[in-house]
Formats: sequence, structure tokens, C-alpha cells
Amino acid sequence: QKEVEQDPGPLSVPEGAIVSLNCTYSNSAFQYFMWYRQYSRKGPELLMYTYSSGNKEDGRFTAQVDKSSKYISLFIRDSQPSDSATYLCAMSPNGNNRLAFGKGNQVVVIP
Amino acid sequence: GAVVSQHPSRVICKSGTSVKIECRSLDFQATTMFWYRQFPKQSLMLMATSNEGSKATYEQGVEKDKFLINHASLTLSTLTVTSAHPEDSSFYICSARGQGFDGYTFGSGTRLTVV
Repeated sequence: QKEVEQDPGPLSVPEGAIVSLNCTYSNSAFQYFMWYRQYSRKGPELLMYTYSSGNKEDGRFTAQVDKSSKYISLFIRDSQPSDSATYLCAMSPNGNNRLAFGKGNQVVVIP
Repeated sequence: GAVVSQHPSRVICKSGTSVKIECRSLDFQATTMFWYRQFPKQSLMLMATSNEGSKATYEQGVEKDKFLINHASLTLSTLTVTSAHPEDSSFYICSARGQGFDGYTFGSGTRLTVV
């Protein structure tokens, strides 16, 4: 079993819809959870990070972590064509170590 | 926010030559830097981790003599691909984190093409 599982998609949604992305993981030691957005031929851009369980909201983005289920989610409200990108989840036990990445989920927002 | 500058963004080199990629943290001190390789439509593959002033730790299967990493200061790390071959063609990305935790910041990547 891989440390982090993420459905690679692609996921196509109409503009204005809610995009729902998720990852599952197997290592219960993970405490730091991150979501990155990567446009084609660019480096990943940190969208949000969460420590331990709970929710975090930033503008149109909401990140959720459920450690009991080893499941994290990212929601994008009022999706825009500019949100079309690959979204990667990443996690780390203590914020110092290497990141464990999901495969990335390609999202296409159709105008 | 934290910014990591990676240079060059694109390089084409001849087989057998060496290429150096620079990664700089612009507004924070990067105590740890990571180097990744990414193939098309794949996730990031960690190559090595470097801490300022010490030798890099390479992942299993990564040739340390081929991929030389130097982290000489708290703001600069370099990756040198020595004696490059076409199979080294890839997208290389650096990442840095400073003291305290505010996520890991990535550079914009370098597309290496070896011809």
C-alpha cells in the first residue's frame, strides 16, 4: 500500500461548481498536511497547510483533515477556469522531514 | 510569503556535459532544501535532502556522484547533473523550508533537455 493515495483524475467541472479533492494515507504519524497547486511546467505552489485534524478556510479554498479516517480533503468553491491545474496533496510527520506526495489530481474547469 | 527562485528555467545541453541548477531562498533562511525530479504526468520524486553546511542525503537509487548537491549557505543550494545523458532529461524542482513551519516552498522548476 502506498503511503499516500490520490486519484489522478482528470476531473472536469463547469465554471462555478465546487471542486472536491481528497487523499487517503496509511502513516498515522503524519501531522502536517498540505495542498499544492501545480500549473503545467511550473513548480508546485502551496495553497494551504493544516496541522493535525480540523478545517481551515482561505478564500474559496477549504482544507479538511480527518486523522481518525486518515483522509484529507480540499474544496474549491466557485471554481474558475484559472483553477485548472494539477492539485497535489502532501504530508509530513513533523514538518522537518521529506514530504510524502499523492500522485496529483488534474482538474479542468470548463468556462 | 516565502519565495524560492530557481534558475535556469530551461536548459538544453549536449550529452556528456554538466549542468548546474541553482535554488535560492529570497526572503528566508532555508535550513533544509530538497531536490525533486518530475516526469510528465507523474508526481514529484525526491532525489535528495540537504541541510546547510552538511552533505546531502540521497534517496535510494539516486547516484550521488552524478547528481552533486551543494548547500553552502542558508539561501543557496545547487544541483549539478554531471556527464548528462538523454535519460537525465526531466523537470527538476527544488523546495526549501526555513525555521518554524510555514509549509514547504517550491522553486519554479528547471526543464533539462539533454541532446
